Amino acid sequence: TAGITQAPTSQILAAGRSMTLRCTQDMRHNAMYWYRQDLGLGLRLIHYSNTAGTTGKGEVPDGYSVSRANTDDFPLTLASAVPSQTSVYFCASSEGTSSDTQYFGPGTRLTVL
Amino acid sequence: QKEVEQNSGPLSVPEGAIASLNCTYSDRGSQSFFWYRQYSGKSPELIMFIYSNGDKEDGRFTAQLNKASQYVSLLIRDSQPSDSATYLCAVGGMTTDSWGKLQFGAGTQVVVTP
Repeated sequence: TAGITQAPTSQILAAGRSMTLRCTQDMRHNAMYWYRQDLGLGLRLIHYSNTAGTTGKGEVPDGYSVSRANTDDFPLTLASAVPSQTSVYFCASSEGTSSDTQYFGPGTRLTVL
Repeated sequence: QKEVEQNSGPLSVPEGAIASLNCTYSDRGSQSFFWYRQYSGKSPELIMFIYSNGDKEDGRFTAQLNKASQYVSLLIRDSQPSDSATYLCAVGGMTTDSWGKLQFGAGTQVVVTP
């Protein structure tokens, strides 16, 4: 199975532009997550969704928004990108919400200039 | 203070030796503990999870959990060059605010030398 796919693989974006990072899973997992990973800071949770139709804020939600219209898709939108949003973004999913194992997508490397 | 702490390394380990990685956490209510391996430029992949105090073995890997002391460790026996990677410790909470979320440490880089 494909598991989790993310698109694009990498992107260079001008500051002030908007962008949507796509994430799709085929495991029928209920919960999905967006993380950013920066050198020395590890993975930080941006937003999460425990089930389709619900979303919640993580540790670093400012400047990002998400939606969960169905089980499979969990897009992350940057409305007006800033250079501090340069990072590697990982989407993850888990079967449930009771701290189940999270499985990660391949990541999107985003550079904001 | 970070909620999940790991030594950043690099931890240099001779091939065939045991690599010992440690992780401490601050939330006493934490109930689930995970070790992920991340190769450079790749996404994290699960190695092991542990929920109960004591040791849990899976092949060359052993996870050790001590909730009273709030630490979890990972031992890699017979280390191989392919074990060279960054190892992430992740901790899951049980409070209303932390339910279903994992806190990650910054990772320990392991380098296995032939």
